[in-house]
Order: sequence, then structure tokens, then C-alpha cells
Amino acid sequence: DTEVTQTPKHLVMGMTNKKSLKCEQHMGHRAMYWYKQKAKKPPELMFVYSYEKLSINESVPSRFSPECPNSSLLNLHLHALQPEDSALYLCASSREDRAGGGYTFGSGTRLTVV
Amino acid sequence: GDSVTQMEGPVTLSEEAFLTINCTYTATGYPSLFWYVQYPGEGLQLLLKATKADDKGSNKGFEATYRKETTSFHLEKGSVQVSDSAVYFCALTAGNQGGKLIFGQGTELSVKP
Repeated sequence: DTEVTQTPKHLVMGMTNKKSLKCEQHMGHRAMYWYKQKAKKPPELMFVYSYEKLSINESVPSRFSPECPNSSLLNLHLHALQPEDSALYLCASSREDRAGGGYTFGSGTRLTVV
Repeated sequence: GDSVTQMEGPVTLSEEAFLTINCTYTATGYPSLFWYVQYPGEGLQLLLKATKADDKGSNKGFEATYRKETTSFHLEKGSVQVSDSAVYFCALTAGNQGGKLIFGQGTELSVKP
């Protein structure tokens, strides 16, 4: 299995809703990432998990809450989002030696906040 | 800090034309270099990579050579197809930044039949 699987593919939520994005990989990668991407812009790093521990939080607002239940799963819990949070949310994973191997990205969850 | 600069798009080409997308980088240490491609409505796919100077990455007819002397990693393809229409991102990781993936701004390619 060489894929990163993200669900759901599309999500529409109101500003008072609580929802979660899910990401799964079975490549044995020990680093997992959440990115936010606006149309035709490069992805922006949000969070990094290394060996199931949060290692980087790029000053992301607390309305985004990541969770890594085990080495294969990564969640992003969403609460009280704003319309400007509408974007494509990408999950990625890499081996520990991530400098040389590159990242594997999922196909993303397209989020619309209304 | 480390950075990547790509030629601005959009780039519009006719089918079978030659493609070059320029990419230059600034990095301390010895970065690994990547090209990612994003087709409409999809996530990013690793297109090719090079981990040391003079390495050539290649995939699906695309090539890029790691040039340390010019700090460049230009993407080339000899004959583009309509199916190559996508956004292309040049990126690097540097060990002294914990392997963080740093992207260029992306170049949108549109290939017309």
C-alpha cells in the first residue's frame, strides 16, 4: 500500500459545527503532516507528528485540533471555523529520514465553511 | 532562511511543445530537491526527486538535474501532452530544518491541443 487516504473528500460545515477530517497510511511512515492549501497556492504546513507526538505547530488557531491515535492514523478536529478557513486540507506522510525521501500526499478534503 | 523560487505562470503551450519550468533555491547545507504535480481537483503527487548534486530525477518523460553551482533544479519535458496540464511545485527539504518541505509558489501549465 503506497497511498495516503483522506476522508471525507468534500465537507461543508457551518461556523458552529464540529467535524473531523481523517487520514490513514499503511506505509510504515512515522511522520505525518497536515497542510492547508488555497487555490493554486503552495500548501502551508499546519502540524507535524513524529512518532505519534506533535512536534511542530505552525501557530495554527486553536479551532483546529490535531490528533494522532496511532502510527497509521491522523485526525484534524474542526470547531467554530470561519469562512476564510475554506480550503483544501492535505495530509502527508514520510519516513523518519524525511529529508531525502519526499512526502506522500493524500488527495485532500475540500472544506467549505458557510 | 531556505527558499524556492519558480518562474511565474500561467504557462500555455501547444501539444508536443518543449517545456521548461525554472526553479532556483537558497539553502544552507545540502538540500534534497523535488518536483510535485497537482492535477485539477487532486492532491500533490511526487513527480521526481534528486538528493545530491548532479543527480538527475526523471519520471513520465519529465527530467530535472540538481545543479549545485547554479542552485537550480529546472523541470523539462521534450513533448508535452494535454494530460500534463496541472500545477507544478518545486520544493526542497533541508536536514538542518528537520526535513521541513519548503515549496515554491507553483507554476500552472496549460497544454492546448
